[in-house]
Amino acid sequence: GDSVTQMEGPVTLSEEACLTINCTYTATGYPSLFWYVQYPGEGLQLLLKATKADDKGSNKGFEATYRKETTSFHLEKGSVQVSDSAVYFCALPLYNQGGKLIFGQGTELSVKP
Amino acid sequence: EAEVAQSPRYKITEKSQAVAFWCDPISGHATLYWYRQILGQGPELLVQFQDESVVDDSQLPKDRFSAERLKGVDSTLKIQPAELGDSAMYLCASSFGGVTEAFFGQGTRLTVV
Repeated sequence: GDSVTQMEGPVTLSEEACLTINCTYTATGYPSLFWYVQYPGEGLQLLLKATKADDKGSNKGFEATYRKETTSFHLEKGSVQVSDSAVYFCALPLYNQGGKLIFGQGTELSVKP
Repeated sequence: EAEVAQSPRYKITEKSQAVAFWCDPISGHATLYWYRQILGQGPELLVQFQDESVVDDSQLPKDRFSAERLKGVDSTLKIQPAELGDSAMYLCASSFGGVTEAFFGQGTRLTVV
C-alpha cells in the first residue's frame, strides 16, 4: 500500500548549518507531495508542495524536489535559523481516497544559536 | 487570510465523561477532515466529509466517537465516554477536495485524567 518514510529525528543543528530531511514514498501513480511544519503546540502548516515529477517546491528558504526515479522528496535548507525549530512532516495525498493524507512519522528539528 | 477555526484549544476531562470539539473550515472548502495526532507521531485520519456526507470513517472508533457536519459547513467531533488512551491532539483540516492541499486548524489538545 501507499506509504511515506521519513528519516528519524531528532535533528540538532547550529544556526546557519545546512539541513536535509529525507523522505521517500511508495504510491501508485504520480501523486502530489507535501511538506508540512508543526511548531510546538500548534497545528500543521503547509510548507511547500510539488504536483508532478521534477517539480521543485520552495518556501521560506526551504526546497524539495519531486524525484520520481528515486521516489523521494527530500527537504533542504541552506542555512537554518533558530526559528526553524519545529517538527517536519512529509505527506502524500491518496487519489483514490478523496485526498486523505498519509504522513511520515515526523522529524523534529532543533536549531541552537 | 482564511483559516480553519477550532475550539477549544485545550480540554481536560475525566475518564468516562463526554467531550466535544468544534471545527469551522475555510469558506468554500467542501472536504473536511478530522485527524488524531498522538504525541511524537504523525496525524492519522479519523473521519473525512465531502459536504455533509461521510466518505471515510474506517478508523473512527464508532463505539465511542461520532462526527457530524449537518449543513456541510462546520463540524463537531464527540467522544463519549472518554478513555485515558484518547489523550491526543485532535486536528481539523479542510480542502477544496481531490488531492489539493489541506489546511489545518490549530488543533485541540485533549487530556483525559
